[in-house]
Amino acid sequence: GESVGLHLPTLSVQEGDNSIINCAYSNSASDYFIWYKQESGKGPQFIIDIRSNMDKRQGQRVTVLLNKTVKHLSLQIAATQPGDSAVYFCAENIHGYGQNFVFGPGTRLSVLP
Amino acid sequence: GAVVSQHPSRVICKSGTSVKIECRSLDFQATTMFWYRQFPKQSLMLMATSNEGSKATYEQGVEKDKFLINHASLTLSTLTVTSAHPEDSSFYICSAPRTGYNEQFFGPGTRLTVL
Repeated sequence: GESVGLHLPTLSVQEGDNSIINCAYSNSASDYFIWYKQESGKGPQFIIDIRSNMDKRQGQRVTVLLNKTVKHLSLQIAATQPGDSAVYFCAENIHGYGQNFVFGPGTRLSVLP
Repeated sequence: GAVVSQHPSRVICKSGTSVKIECRSLDFQATTMFWYRQFPKQSLMLMATSNEGSKATYEQGVEKDKFLINHASLTLSTLTVTSAHPEDSSFYICSAPRTGYNEQFFGPGTRLTVL
């Protein structure tokens, strides 16, 4: 089923520190996952993705970890910068291309100076 | 990268009027587009799947007669909010998958305010 966010968890980190944002996904059949970043008043922006046959994927300053056993995703942001302040959503999908994504409730990341 | 646009970006209307929101894929063709609604401090909720050449598929609880979807061409889907009421005020976002890409490409969203 779809996740409904009634309130937005917030993570506050000091500039330069590492951030870890967690997400519990709902469907054990999901085989593709994306982390999106959404800035205020804008549409979601792709950050990084991972398939279910992987447990870790790295990008530039970001790493996604997937634990299928407990249906858990995490996004790690290294050396967090003020521009990283946004709401982060994990999204899950079955069968990849063409199917809609189901979004998690989101986490607001605030980077403190 | 693929670009999806939405128009208008913001709209304010009176209660009872209808509002049309456009979603365009600018550099690729999209036989399917998705419409999401996002209330403040909440996640994106899928409203409907827009299919070029056929009827849209609506999620449970979304009134098809209130949210009219027309996928007029391979690059354009429109969402019309009919007889809008203040509770329809929300951020409406479309997305489109693209051949060869697993991710979906999102539009910038349309902020609807119904007075």
